[in-house]
Amino acid sequence: KQEVTQIPAALSVPEGENLVLNCSFTDSAIYNLQWFRQDPGKGLTSLLLIQSSQREQTSGRLNASLDKSSGRSTLYIAASQPGDSATYLCAVSPPNYGGSQGNLIFGKGTKLSVKP
Amino acid sequence: ETGVTQSPTHLIKTRGQQVTLRCSSQSGHNTVSWYQQALGQGPQFIFQYYREEENGRGNFPPRFSGLQFPNYSSELNVNALELDDSALYLCASSLDSYGYTFGSGTRLTVV
Repeated sequence: KQEVTQIPAALSVPEGENLVLNCSFTDSAIYNLQWFRQDPGKGLTSLLLIQSSQREQTSGRLNASLDKSSGRSTLYIAASQPGDSATYLCAVSPPNYGGSQGNLIFGKGTKLSVKP
Repeated sequence: ETGVTQSPTHLIKTRGQQVTLRCSSQSGHNTVSWYQQALGQGPQFIFQYYREEENGRGNFPPRFSGLQFPNYSSELNVNALELDDSALYLCASSLDSYGYTFGSGTRLTVV
């Protein structure tokens, strides 16, 4: 059974700091991995999606890497800002029969607070 | 291009009642998934609909049921509500299960 773990559960940093969020998964047979942002009481905003054949994806100040063989992904946030404060969720998608994407399996998230 | 729209945003129900939550998919998407997110937890997969047929289900009892309509909008129905059903319910749509877009969710409180 696939399990996704995110460390740390919470993180508080001063504005401007570079930071890394970690995600690990127990079964390397994934279709893709996706990072989401969730503001309190709100829905999920997709940040980055990495296909199983890719090693990393970048969007602005965000960079996500994927090491499928070791079951790990990291989300790197450069020059953090107070507006980055949110919960960051990692989700993997196992392959369905036929190779298409299955449902998403989420970690519990890392709650990030960036202090001015 | 419109995103995923969920209604209502908040709802309070009494234990034992029934509830229907609604979701309008993003334009061009043919797959809808529903997730339940308890406080402090990651979302848990309830079920998925592809072209009006259920094609995947998580570990939820039969009192959780759904529908997908020809315009790919969807409903989540929960019968015999229990206190533990209190959660944020998220709808996500995609095209052929690639790259999901989530709605803002419906906060359900069961008292």
